[in-house]
Parts: sequence; structure tokens; C-alpha cells
Amino acid sequence: DVKVTQSSRYLVKRTGEKVFLECVQDMDHENMFWYRQDPGLGLRLIYFSYDVKMKEKGDIPEGYSVSREKKERFSLILESASTNQTSMYLCASNGGMRGVQPQHFGDGTRLSIL
Amino acid sequence: AQKITQTQPGMFVQEKEAVTLDCTYDTSDQSYGLFWYKQPSSGEMIFLIYQGSYDEQNATEGRYSLNFQKARKSANLVISASQLGDSAMYFCAMKTNRDDKIIFGKGTRLHILP
Repeated sequence: DVKVTQSSRYLVKRTGEKVFLECVQDMDHENMFWYRQDPGLGLRLIYFSYDVKMKEKGDIPEGYSVSREKKERFSLILESASTNQTSMYLCASNGGMRGVQPQHFGDGTRLSIL
Repeated sequence: AQKITQTQPGMFVQEKEAVTLDCTYDTSDQSYGLFWYKQPSSGEMIFLIYQGSYDEQNATEGRYSLNFQKARKSANLVISASQLGDSAMYFCAMKTNRDDKIIFGKGTRLHILP
């Protein structure tokens, strides 16, 4: 079974802090994704990566950056956290470009910025 | 533009009844895949079922089936003999072969009543 692990289920940080959300997958997947989920807005794609050191902006990249130094790990970085970044963050991964493969999700991180 | 529409923000259904969750999609691509995910209150996203655009048969997975009507661009999820554990948020999603992004609908919250 595919395992996508997010480092924290719950996280509380202060405005202005630099925040790191970590995600690790164990299936050698090429693609990894970060979403945020807010009530009434569904899942919105922040960034995704289709290879090591490669990244693409999603629909709402502002205020975020990402890092993919190793294939299994994809980090989401809030450079200077703000209260409007309080949300549920979901990491996902799937295999390569050909065909349509479902994304496998981690358990999510509920991030609160005070 | 590619889009997923779920018109039912919430549904209440009696236990053991069948449930249909609506999903319509919009794409100009000929090759695409449609997915349904379940998100319980604990937050994890669980992949349920997949339908390819060229699949002639409707997909089924246990109590889940996908009512795929290509001409209408609809991909409704049918849950037979609903159970209390089916109470959750359900997301319809689509992926085309042009890239690896998956587009999600805003979700339907399903409540199963005892």
C-alpha cells in the first residue's frame, strides 16, 4: 500500500514565523502535490513537483514555496506565516505522466496561525 | 476551461438506502479520468473509484459504482446500502492526460441517519 506521511497532524504557529510542512512518500512516485482545504472552497493546489528539484506553481502559490531535494520528500514552506494561511494542508503523490493514476493523500496537517 | 461541479453541498440519507452524489465535469480533452474520494471527519482523503473516459463499462468497487454518462459529462457516485460509516465529505475529481494536476470539486457532505 502507498504510504504518504505528513510530519504533523496539528500545528500552531505565530504570525511572521517561517513554517515547514514535511511530506514523505514511500512508493517512488515522481509527482508530489500540496493542497490547502478550506470550507466552501474545496481543495486548491498550491504547488506540485514532477521530479527532484522541479516545481510548478498551482492555483494559489502566493505566500508559499516548496522544496524537493529528494524524490520521496516534498516540503511546503510558509516564508512568513499569516493568519489567512490557517487551513488544512494535504500532501499527495502519484506515478508518472502517462495514464491517469489516482493521487494518494497523507492524513493532512491542520495548521493554525495565531 | 476544466471544471468539476458538485451541486449538492450536503445530503441526509437514511441508513441502508442507496445514495447518488452528483458530479458534472467540463473538459475539451478526449482522454481523461474521473475519481471519487471520501474524506471522513478525521481528515484523510481516501480514494474510492476511478473511471476512464474510454471505459465502456461503469466502474464498480464493492458498494460504490460510478454512473458515467459521457454525453452529459456526468460521473455520479452511487453508494448502495448506505452505512453510518459512509458519513463523510465526498469529492469528485478529474485528471486529463495533458499534465498531472487533478481538479477537485467543492465536495458534498453526506450524513447517514440511523
